[in-house]
Amino acid sequence: ETGVTQSPTHLIKTRGQQVTLRCSSQSGHNTVSWYQQALGQGPQFIFQYYREEENGRGNFPPRFSGLQFPNYSSELNVNALELDDSALYLCASSPTAETQYFGPGTRLLVL
Amino acid sequence: GQQVMQIPQYQHVQEGEDFTTYCNSSTTLSNIQWYKQRPGGHPVFLIQLVKSGEVKKQKRLTFQFGEAKKNSSLHITATQTTDVGTYFCAGRVSGNTGKLIFGQGTTLQVKP
Repeated sequence: ETGVTQSPTHLIKTRGQQVTLRCSSQSGHNTVSWYQQALGQGPQFIFQYYREEENGRGNFPPRFSGLQFPNYSSELNVNALELDDSALYLCASSPTAETQYFGPGTRLLVL
Repeated sequence: GQQVMQIPQYQHVQEGEDFTTYCNSSTTLSNIQWYKQRPGGHPVFLIQLVKSGEVKKQKRLTFQFGEAKKNSSLHITATQTTDVGTYFCAGRVSGNTGKLIFGQGTTLQVKP
């Protein structure tokens, strides 16, 4: 048990809609990262937040945005959903620069 | 762009045989991490290697980081059915503290 939770576990949306995914980290985990994992692929880095500031971003368009809150929770927002956005979305929180704890993920299906 | 390649993509072994997965980066890495993901699960952190030429062991698992800090390997001795899953390497690029680049993973199947 990593202590990292995500909600919802599953979600179905249609093209063009917007979605907000949530992550709750352990107390003291100041860094949270979000990843997109397509079926059969490795996780792709979306962005990372450290103490509520973005601290690195992968090759994702601006319609992918995030927020980190003082209570160690965070959000991933995706606007104008596309079919290719269907994937498992993982958040990972870190107490240190070394260890990263992944949540169980949110499986998003875009129809 | 920066890439991390992993081979093989799949490996089927008989229980008791050894297994190795290799990871190669197109650029020098500041460190590399290894994860295991069971079917339907999420990646679980195994280890981080930081130093050039570093070797770390966890029971039957041996992790190596290359001298040039561009490649790494994970070797499992005498596989067990509990080793089944997909093993990912993930490299952190120098100068970009946040970004972690994952390989495509090696899926290990172990026949009892």
